[in-house]
Amino acid sequence: LAKTTQPISMDSYEGQEVNITCSHNNIATNDYITWYQQFPSQGPRFIIQGYKTKVTNEVASLFIPADRKSSTLSLPRVSLSDTAVYYCLGRSNAGNNRKLIWGLGTSLAVNP
Amino acid sequence: GAGVSQSPRYKVAKRGQDVALRCDPISGHVSLFWYQQALGQGPEFLTYFQNEAQLDKSGLPSDRFFAERPEGSVSTLKIQRTQQEDSAVYLCASSQQGGDPEAFFGQGTRLTVV
Repeated sequence: LAKTTQPISMDSYEGQEVNITCSHNNIATNDYITWYQQFPSQGPRFIIQGYKTKVTNEVASLFIPADRKSSTLSLPRVSLSDTAVYYCLGRSNAGNNRKLIWGLGTSLAVNP
Repeated sequence: GAGVSQSPRYKVAKRGQDVALRCDPISGHVSLFWYQQALGQGPEFLTYFQNEAQLDKSGLPSDRFFAERPEGSVSTLKIQRTQQEDSAVYLCASSQQGGDPEAFFGQGTRLTVV
């Protein structure tokens, strides 16, 4: 499973677009890139997943370049309630084991 | 229920005491995972079930940790002779199938060993 590296923390302001980049230089062919969001005292919540190019849902967009060595989570027009820790994970579809390997995540602070 | 339910939400145990943490996954979800999350860290994998079969327990830190899911629904994580280093939040997650991208997490059980 891919080891991922992302910034420890980021600051933003309400209404701004926030881009969080994650490095995964050793990502395997079978690995998907998955992002989770975690609020204090809550379990993580799935945001988005992609394999390559661009994926968009009602919450975020995920950009993965052709070499797949990095990915960028884009949160449009953040609000105070987007303050949370964001985790980038490599997730394998191989075999029966679907366990996720988590890093430290990026602590995003959205300021008024 | 609508989501993954864990109980208790908070547990304080004296060192050496045994504890049992319960997870009620979303009905019909085949896969169930347990994670341990220390303060300021990301979750760390403990074990994985597919129905009642425990397919991976490689993350269990010692033989004091034991998990079961006897009927393929509710799961219990048991920690025997708790130590201070066991203090953490224990998260349970479930998904329809192991290959599903989205795992649904419970709120966790915060265990404090004193």
